[in-house]
Amino acid sequence: AQSVTQPDIHITVSEGASLELRCNYSYGATPYLFWYVQSPGQGLQLLLKYFSGDTLVQGIKGFEAEFKRSQSSFNLRKPSVHWSDAAEYFCAVGVTPSGGYQKVTFGTGTKLQVIP
Amino acid sequence: NAGVTQTPKFQVLKTGQSMTLQCAQDMNHNSMYWYRQDPGMGLRLIYYSASEGTTDKGEVPNGYNVSRLNKREFSLRLESAAPSQTSVYFCASSEAREIFGYTFGSGTRLTVV
Repeated sequence: AQSVTQPDIHITVSEGASLELRCNYSYGATPYLFWYVQSPGQGLQLLLKYFSGDTLVQGIKGFEAEFKRSQSSFNLRKPSVHWSDAAEYFCAVGVTPSGGYQKVTFGTGTKLQVIP
Repeated sequence: NAGVTQTPKFQVLKTGQSMTLQCAQDMNHNSMYWYRQDPGMGLRLIYYSASEGTTDKGEVPNGYNVSRLNKREFSLRLESAAPSQTSVYFCASSEAREIFGYTFGSGTRLTVV
């Protein structure tokens, strides 16, 4: 079975600083990989996804993520953080076992605080 | 605006009461899902409906039932609420091929006392 680990529960960065949120997965093959963002009191919004091709993917709101097969990682990055980026971020892994239904597993989330 | 609509947004129940959480999507998606979110545990799948007319159990189905009423609507029912079901519940939908990602509703915050 696949699993997702987000090792950082909480991260604080200064506005304008760069950001990297870590995500590691465990699966025997290359899974589908996602990052979602959740603002307080809201549902999750898809930031970006990877399932093949270029290992550096661009998403909305200026975010990008890089898939590194050798490290089983899919870290999320942003060059310059804005106060509005304060939210909780979830990494997710999707796999399709025999039978066709894709199973998606979410990480436990990383809460981002942005200080002025 | 197109998306996933959940009702109610907040609910307080007494132990043993029943209720139904409603979810509707207007994106013509085939698949719909119910998740619960608890602190430090991420999102856990309760039930899903891969297409109209089908439903299947997810990771934590005990204490819940679902109905896929039509392509748009997917409801979650708690027959006899327990304090362990205090949580935030999210409905989501997707194209049949989930690799496109999910669209989530804004959630229902349920407290069982």
